[in-house]
Amino acid sequence: KAGVTQTPRYLIKTRGQQVTLSCSPISGHRSVSWYQQTPGQGLQFLFEYFSETQRNKGNFPGRFSGRQFSNSRSEMNVSTLELGDSALYLCASSLEGPSYEQYFGPGTRLTVT
Amino acid sequence: QQPVQSPQAVILREGEDAVINCSSSKALYSVHWYRQKHGEAPIFLMILLKGGEQKGHDKISASFNEKKQQSSLYLTASQLSYSGTYFCGTEGTGAQKLVFGQGTRLTINP
Repeated sequence: KAGVTQTPRYLIKTRGQQVTLSCSPISGHRSVSWYQQTPGQGLQFLFEYFSETQRNKGNFPGRFSGRQFSNSRSEMNVSTLELGDSALYLCASSLEGPSYEQYFGPGTRLTVT
Repeated sequence: QQPVQSPQAVILREGEDAVINCSSSKALYSVHWYRQKHGEAPIFLMILLKGGEQKGHDKISASFNEKKQQSSLYLTASQLSYSGTYFCGTEGTGAQKLVFGQGTRLTINP
């Protein structure tokens, strides 16, 4: 069974720009969660989607948004990028949500200059 | 609220045992454990649901004390491959999200 895939793997953007990251979950998984990982803050929860609905959101500004499509693929968007948004963005898929084992993708390394 | 992991780092010799603790101030429904090696994605180790059960496979096991909102990960007879950063993730009752601890860096030396 194919694992979680994320595209792109690396991205360099300039302050003020916007970016869209994509996540394809494992086939049959309906829940997708997004996390931001930085050396100082660890793994921070961004949001969780299930059947195209956002069920929970972390403490991030409104510049961070996401969506999920009918095939469970998910995208997250960050608008008006700031230097502090530089991080590894990980998505994780699971069958039904946080009570199930999470399978992480390889991540997208975003660098904002 | 972020769970607290301890210790933050531990160095062992191959064959020694380790215990990593995870503590939350909120009522928990589940506790997850993951291991992440440098430059790689976190890998699922185990999940413990409310009920205080202990789980394990091979030489890695974990317990969950729901009254104390604490979980512990036990690694016995550690192997070089156990090196990495271990994260606990906690799910509050009805929260629909996992909140991860800061991680415990485990180094196993030959």
